[in-house]
Amino acid sequence: AQSVTQPDIHITVSEGASLELRCNYSYGATPYLFWYVQSPGQGLQLLLKYFSGDTLVQGIKGFEAEFKRSQSSFNLRKPSVHWSDAAEYFCAVGVAGFSSSGTYKYIFGTGTRLKVLA
Amino acid sequence: SAVISQKPSRDICQRGTSLTIQCQVDSQVTMMFWYRQQPGQSLTLIATANQGSEATYESGFVIDKFPISRPNLTFSTLTVSNMSPEDSSIYLCSVVRQEGQPQHFGDGTRLSIL
Repeated sequence: AQSVTQPDIHITVSEGASLELRCNYSYGATPYLFWYVQSPGQGLQLLLKYFSGDTLVQGIKGFEAEFKRSQSSFNLRKPSVHWSDAAEYFCAVGVAGFSSSGTYKYIFGTGTRLKVLA
Repeated sequence: SAVISQKPSRDICQRGTSLTIQCQVDSQVTMMFWYRQQPGQSLTLIATANQGSEATYESGFVIDKFPISRPNLTFSTLTVSNMSPEDSSIYLCSVVRQEGQPQHFGDGTRLSIL
């Protein structure tokens, strides 16, 4: 079955430190891959997406992610974290033909909550 | 990206009542979804809102409890019926312009049932 795994429920980093959030997926083909961020009391905002081509994708707010087919991973990175990055981060995949309607379905990971220390 | 207006942003309701949540998009979109996000948890897909026909529900969700309408390509409603405290959650509307494209989310409706 298709699934998305975010192994780290909570991560704490100091401001200015680098960050990597892990995401692994299970799917028979290459899915469309997304990272979202949810600040407290807010909806989800798209950080970046991967469809095809260059496996290193750049997003907003200084984030980037790298798709590694051999590892079925799509890890999110940022070289220097800011206090405003404290939020919940969700990895998601878009897969074809597996929703109840037979069309596209988007599967979300369980999220990683990032805490930033001053 | 699409601009999505979701109303109400929050509400406190009495047990046994129903609440209708509205999702308005500023442009036509192919797909509209409704999710539930329980406190501290990830998103669970309730249903896909189909334009002009009955919504497609995921396992564990039924039309009698969560009736959904989508009269056109820019608007949908989700009703949470006969509410109980277990329905206290954030309900999120999302849209996709075409299959495979990213979803864009409204700000959510924070629902508390007393």
